[in-house]
Amino acid sequence: EAGVTQFPSHSVIEKGQTVTLRCDPISGHDNLYWYRRVMGKEIKFLLHFVKESKQDESGMPNNRFLAERTGGTYSTLKVQPAELEDSGVYFCASSPIYLGLAGGEQFFGPGTRLTVL
Amino acid sequence: SQELEQSPQSLIVQEGKNLTINCTSSKTLYGLYWYKQKYGEGLIFLMMLQKGGEEKSHEKITAKLDEKKQQSSLHITASQPSHAGTYLCGADMRSGNTGKLIFGQGTTLQVKP
Repeated sequence: EAGVTQFPSHSVIEKGQTVTLRCDPISGHDNLYWYRRVMGKEIKFLLHFVKESKQDESGMPNNRFLAERTGGTYSTLKVQPAELEDSGVYFCASSPIYLGLAGGEQFFGPGTRLTVL
Repeated sequence: SQELEQSPQSLIVQEGKNLTINCTSSKTLYGLYWYKQKYGEGLIFLMMLQKGGEEKSHEKITAKLDEKKQQSSLHITASQPSHAGTYLCGADMRSGNTGKLIFGQGTTLQVKP
């Protein structure tokens, strides 16, 4: 079974440009999460989709970040316009059922390393 | 201050030695998840603990959650170079909507042959 995949693996852009990150969850997983790790800090939650609906977007830093999950399959995270402080590693995770229930562990992708110059 | 404190931040051990990594919270943990990450790769799920006093083992790695459900430890017995990497604890703290994990900063482990 294929794991969570993310594209691209690396992205280097200039401040003010737009970048779109993609995540393909494990097939059949309704729950999809985005996290981010900026240098020197812990991994932080951005948002959670259940199918195509945003369940929790409390971690989104500001309105320059837009996440979508059309059709409840893959998800995209767009940063527009990118700022220097957006640099970091963006992780996507998926799970078949809700956190807290047995089997609710989240499976993580390899991450996208974003560098904003 | 961080919601989840991990210690130590880094660890260098000789192959064959035992080691312990701790994860502490000031709040009740409704679930505690241990992950391992190798550089440039995703987080690999190791174990999940939910009940106070729970202990789980897989191969040479044992994870425990204390009775108060505020502290967890990860113990590696007879470490091997393959155990090297960054270990992260992630917690379900039921803050706001469920679904999100709160992570510690991670513990980087090096195992010297």
